[in-house]
Amino acid sequence: GAVVSQHPSRVICKSGTSVKIECRSLDFQATTMFWYRQFPKQSLMLMATSNEGSKATYEQGVEKDKFLINHASLTLSTLTVTSAHPEDSSFYICSAPSTSGGTSSYEQYFGPGTRLTVT
Amino acid sequence: KQEVTQIPAALSVPEGENLVLNCSFTDSAIYNLQWFRQDPGKGLTSLLLIQSSQREQTSGRLNASLDKSSGRSTLYIAASQPGDSATYLCAVLRGAQKLVFGQGTRLTINP
Repeated sequence: GAVVSQHPSRVICKSGTSVKIECRSLDFQATTMFWYRQFPKQSLMLMATSNEGSKATYEQGVEKDKFLINHASLTLSTLTVTSAHPEDSSFYICSAPSTSGGTSSYEQYFGPGTRLTVT
Repeated sequence: KQEVTQIPAALSVPEGENLVLNCSFTDSAIYNLQWFRQDPGKGLTSLLLIQSSQREQTSGRLNASLDKSSGRSTLYIAASQPGDSATYLCAVLRGAQKLVFGQGTRLTINP
């Protein structure tokens, strides 16, 4: 199956600094990628849709100026958490859909996640 | 607004038992439904994908069913093993390729 990687796997930063997380599709191209956030013992919440060559679209309640998304190429999307605060500490996961077949056969491939801790 | 619910939230069974995890969704207008496995601190592994026109999918000891009209899916695990211990998530695909996740079922298989 398709492989999605994330870097770094863990990051600790101080409050007020910015952190960049990378999401790469290793063996396929992805014009669209998704960013999720997961708090402990909770499910995944979609934050935004990353679109190659255009602006990201954000879900309701997600601050676009705080969570900057750049889809630089067909294999790379980055999420930058700006001016991070302790409440931004979470597990961030990206995904990319397969593009083969019709809509009903779309399958999402997930990265291994990035654990962000803001002190 | 699509909502996905998984019951039970946690389940603990002895090794070797067959078990069923439940997933329900409020809007039957879905493209497909996926079941995922998540180990602690890890990403998601896709287990099964059921297209909206399908009734079930099987992979090894796993069988997933889909009843769109009633808004329900089940994941059946046969002959459970300690290695099956994980959190199982179901998610439905709605428009614009967006997945809506349930809260997950935390499964523990006791040796």
